[in-house]
Amino acid sequence: QKEVEQNSGPLSVPEGAIASLNCTYSDRGSQSFFWYRQYSGKSPELIMSIYSNGDKEDGRFTAQLNKASQYVSLLIRDSQPSDSATYLCAVEIYNFNKFYFGSGTKLNVKP
Amino acid sequence: GAVVSQHPSWVICKSGTSVKIECRSLDFQATTMFWYRQFPKQSLMLMATSNEGSKATYEQGVEKDKFLINHASLTLSTLTVTSAHPEDSSFYICSASTDTQYFGPGTRLTVL
Repeated sequence: QKEVEQNSGPLSVPEGAIASLNCTYSDRGSQSFFWYRQYSGKSPELIMSIYSNGDKEDGRFTAQLNKASQYVSLLIRDSQPSDSATYLCAVEIYNFNKFYFGSGTKLNVKP
Repeated sequence: GAVVSQHPSWVICKSGTSVKIECRSLDFQATTMFWYRQFPKQSLMLMATSNEGSKATYEQGVEKDKFLINHASLTLSTLTVTSAHPEDSSFYICSASTDTQYFGPGTRLTVL
């Protein structure tokens, strides 16, 4: 069983819509959760981190964490074509500083 | 803040040669750095965890004698691909860690 699972997509949404990306994890000892965006041919860049249950908002992005259900999600409001990328979910277990990455969800935002 | 650089950004080498890739944290000190490899259309694969002043910890299946890692200071880690072969051609990405991981821009290695 993979530590972190994501739907590979592609997820297609029209411009201006809300994109919803989901991630589940297997280890209940997971402490910290991160979303990265990776454009084709580039390295990942950090979008958001979340550490406690609930929602965390940053501009058009909202991360949601539910530790009881072991899932973390990322909502992108007013999606833009420039948001088209692969989104990686990462989970840190027991604060060992080692991240487990999901395989990523490819998002296509159509003009 | 939290800028990580990698050098070179791309390299082409002949089979059998060695290639060194540098990873630097420019504006912070990182006790831990990580090295990843990514093949086209695949996810990141962690190769090794590098702590300053100690030996790197390699993931299962990664040959430590082939991928030499040195973490000489809190701002510099190097990965040397020894006796490179075409199957080593990949995108190598480092990250430096504080309370989260910040990625370098990556190094694209092509072995002819």
